[in-house]
Amino acid sequence: EAGVVQSPRYKIIEKKQPVAFWCNPISGHNTLYWYRQNLGQGPELLIRYENEEAVDDSQLPKDRFSAERLKGVDSTLKIQPAELGDSAVYLCASSLARLAFFGQGTRLTVV
Amino acid sequence: DQQVKQNSPSLSVQEGRISILNCDYTNSMFDYFLWYKKYPAEGPTFLISISSIKDKNEDGRFTVFLNKSAKHLSLHIVPSQPGDSAVYFCAASSSGATNKLIFGTGTLLAVQP
Repeated sequence: EAGVVQSPRYKIIEKKQPVAFWCNPISGHNTLYWYRQNLGQGPELLIRYENEEAVDDSQLPKDRFSAERLKGVDSTLKIQPAELGDSAVYLCASSLARLAFFGQGTRLTVV
Repeated sequence: DQQVKQNSPSLSVQEGRISILNCDYTNSMFDYFLWYKKYPAEGPTFLISISSIKDKNEDGRFTVFLNKSAKHLSLHIVPSQPGDSAVYFCAASSSGATNKLIFGTGTLLAVQP
């Protein structure tokens, strides 16, 4: 069974530029998460989807971050414009029950 | 407010000995707990979980203990191997927000050969 696939693995952009991350969850998993992990910290939830519906986006900085999950499968997380403080690893995960499986993450560096 | 806490940022253990990683939580509604292991440049991988109806769950060299009254859980690795060197995250969820996982800050385990 294929795992959670994320792309790109690494991204370096200048501040104020836009950036987008893509995630393909495990087939059949209804729940999709985007987490952000800062250096030395645990993953922090940005947004959680149940099928197409964003059921928890309370931690998503909505002035610059947006996300969508098309047809309840793939998802895209966008930042526009990026700030220096957005440098982090962005993790996508999916789950069918209470066990979440993670992708390899995208390491974003904003310079 | 950090609902899941891992107070030891790092732990060093000799190969073959026991590694004990600790985790504390504050939310009494949490009823499902997981441990994830993370190598550099990779995403977290699931290691072992425990439901609040149990106080122990074992899988090979890995055992998780849950003390609900103390709101504390621990992961025991016996015997420790150099390949166990990684960051270990504790995570928790509640049945009221079933699929929302809250993570601790992680403990870096180094197993010395």
